Amino acid sequence: SAVISQKPSRDICQRGTSLTIQCQVDSQVTMMFWYRQQPGQSLTLIATANQGSEATYESGFVIDKFPISRPNLTFSTLTVSNMSPEDSSIYLCSASLGSNYGYTFGSGTRLTVV
Amino acid sequence: DAKTTQPPSMDCAEGRAANLPCNHSTISGNEYVYWYRQIHSQGPQYIIHGLKNNETNEMASLIITEDRKSSTLILPHATLRDTAVYYCIGTYSGAGSYQLTFGKGTKLSVIP
Repeated sequence: SAVISQKPSRDICQRGTSLTIQCQVDSQVTMMFWYRQQPGQSLTLIATANQGSEATYESGFVIDKFPISRPNLTFSTLTVSNMSPEDSSIYLCSASLGSNYGYTFGSGTRLTVV
Repeated sequence: DAKTTQPPSMDCAEGRAANLPCNHSTISGNEYVYWYRQIHSQGPQYIIHGLKNNETNEMASLIITEDRKSSTLILPHATLRDTAVYYCIGTYSGAGSYQLTFGKGTKLSVIP
């Protein structure tokens, strides 16, 4: 299975600022996704990171707030823009080698906005 | 994605088999059943998946009923390190174009 390196692992940020989270996969993958996990909650899909085109966002998530890049088949970034305390969550990157391999998840970025 | 229903929590004695049920009565014919688990403060970990037949790997076994309306994840000899939230997910699995929709899962506590 793919191995994902996600960084930073945690950060404390001031409200109104932005944070970019990086996700590096050790092999080329077809699909990459970004999730959010609010405290005590399950994972919610933010968007699908498409290589070479704009990300596909789920309902309730918009590009201006969560811009995503995917310049190649092994790397993606998620930016949390104009942060507020409500953005305090764990953000997770995931990727798949294909239908027979399941998803691999990064270890997550624990974001606290103060 | 199929809607799944899992008990919110379960206990299991260390060394015993842990049987985690999942109802997915609305699953369609070409949707797979996936199981993931999330140990506290870590990213979810893939366990196993199946379509119709029972499946086994080094981590667990997956038993799917003949009508595919429910399944059971079996951890044959639970250890304290298996304490986690377990998610059952029904989704398509074709050409790498599927998504995962996480429910609330089952919090499994393995007791010494």
